[in-house]
Amino acid sequence: SQTIHQWPATLVQPVGSPLSLECTVEGTSNPNLYWYRQAAGRGLQLLFYSVGIGQISSEVPQNLSASRPQDRQFILSSKKLLLSDSGFYLCAWSFRDRGTEQYFGPGTRLTVT
Amino acid sequence: SQQGEEDPQALSIQEGENATMNCSYKTSINNLQWYRQNSGRGLVHLILIRSNEREKHSGRLRVTLDTSKKSSSLLITASRAADTASYFCATIKAAGNKLTFGGGTRVLVKP
Repeated sequence: SQTIHQWPATLVQPVGSPLSLECTVEGTSNPNLYWYRQAAGRGLQLLFYSVGIGQISSEVPQNLSASRPQDRQFILSSKKLLLSDSGFYLCAWSFRDRGTEQYFGPGTRLTVT
Repeated sequence: SQQGEEDPQALSIQEGENATMNCSYKTSINNLQWYRQNSGRGLVHLILIRSNEREKHSGRLRVTLDTSKKSSSLLITASRAADTASYFCATIKAAGNKLTFGGGTRVLVKP
């Protein structure tokens, strides 16, 4: 069976500090990978998605970047955090076929102070 | 603007009652999906309905899709306290693999 891991679970970082959130998937190969951000009480905003190693699509201009150094590893980064980067970050994966459901990790709660 | 918009934003019911929430979207879709999110957790996929389907059931869940009205509904029958969560609809466009989520409906089931 497949599992998805995210860490850390919670993070408190000062404004201007760097960020690295990691997501890994086990039990499948060549997944599509996604990073979402969720503001409090709101829906999910797609930030990045990847269909393969080194292939990253950015959905919205922002202070964040993503990388996929290995097939089942997806990293969300920032060089300098802003207050507006606070939120709940969710990683998800789906099978390579189009139109299938996505499977979400437990999320990382980021607070920028 | 959001591709999917849920209505109502919040719903409070007694255990045993049915809960109905609606979702509207704007563009043509390949399929529509419903997800549940418990507070502070990741999302869990509930059900997927394709654009050529009108109704689908899974346990106590019933989903309908009306592509002419660009709307869907999720019915939870005989609700339980454990159904307390936020419910999101999400759509995939006809030629894509990205989900677009609505703002969600927060459901509170009181014991």
